[in-house]
Amino acid sequence: GAGVSQSPRYKVAKRGQDVALRCDPISGHVSLFWYQQALGQGPEFLTYFQNEAQLDKSGLPSDRFFAERPEGSVSTLKIQRTQQEDSAVYLCASSLGGRERAKTQYFGPGTRLLVL
Amino acid sequence: GDSVTQMEGPVTLSEEAFLTINCTYTATGYPSLFWYVQYPGEGLQLLLKATKADDKGSNKGFEATYRKETTSFHLEKGSVQVSDSAVYFCALLYSGGGADGLTFGKGTHLIIQP
Repeated sequence: GAGVSQSPRYKVAKRGQDVALRCDPISGHVSLFWYQQALGQGPEFLTYFQNEAQLDKSGLPSDRFFAERPEGSVSTLKIQRTQQEDSAVYLCASSLGGRERAKTQYFGPGTRLLVL
Repeated sequence: GDSVTQMEGPVTLSEEAFLTINCTYTATGYPSLFWYVQYPGEGLQLLLKATKADDKGSNKGFEATYRKETTSFHLEKGSVQVSDSAVYFCALLYSGGGADGLTFGKGTHLIIQP
């Protein structure tokens, strides 16, 4: 089936605006991850869902960042009162979950956020 | 905490040259190790992985061996092509506390010249 999709692909926000980034995982994938990738850096883990439960949000940089996955499928990452340092590519990944030790994560194309 | 260090780029090679991109890690326990590749204008794709010591992952002519004694997972290819030009990321996954988030290196930009 289709891979992980993300929307919008590009977002320009004025400082102080709220933004919402959407992720559609691969159908049937239990696990969903959000990562932040600054320019010239590797992705950094933000948060992890197993179905609708947010099991780890240790990577969220501040309380302005909020993620949800209410029905265990589509997820939204919301950033309130955006700041210039929030400018980055936000990547979503999904995996089957289950007992496989090295569950392959499949990445979406990312949303490039620019805060002016 | 867990971390991954990979060689700085860009790495520029001629077509058919031998490639090595170094990757070392620090982690508690025994992580799984991955190489991801990002082609221009595309998303991250899994290239290969290894889940335990001495495992060798391989794909598309690339290979990497999980070396616990040197905490390394170097990426190699015997003869590179122009189409291999991309950014390569080494990553580890340590399933502790239910997090399961990948820890990535900073990436190595590979440029292959014809």
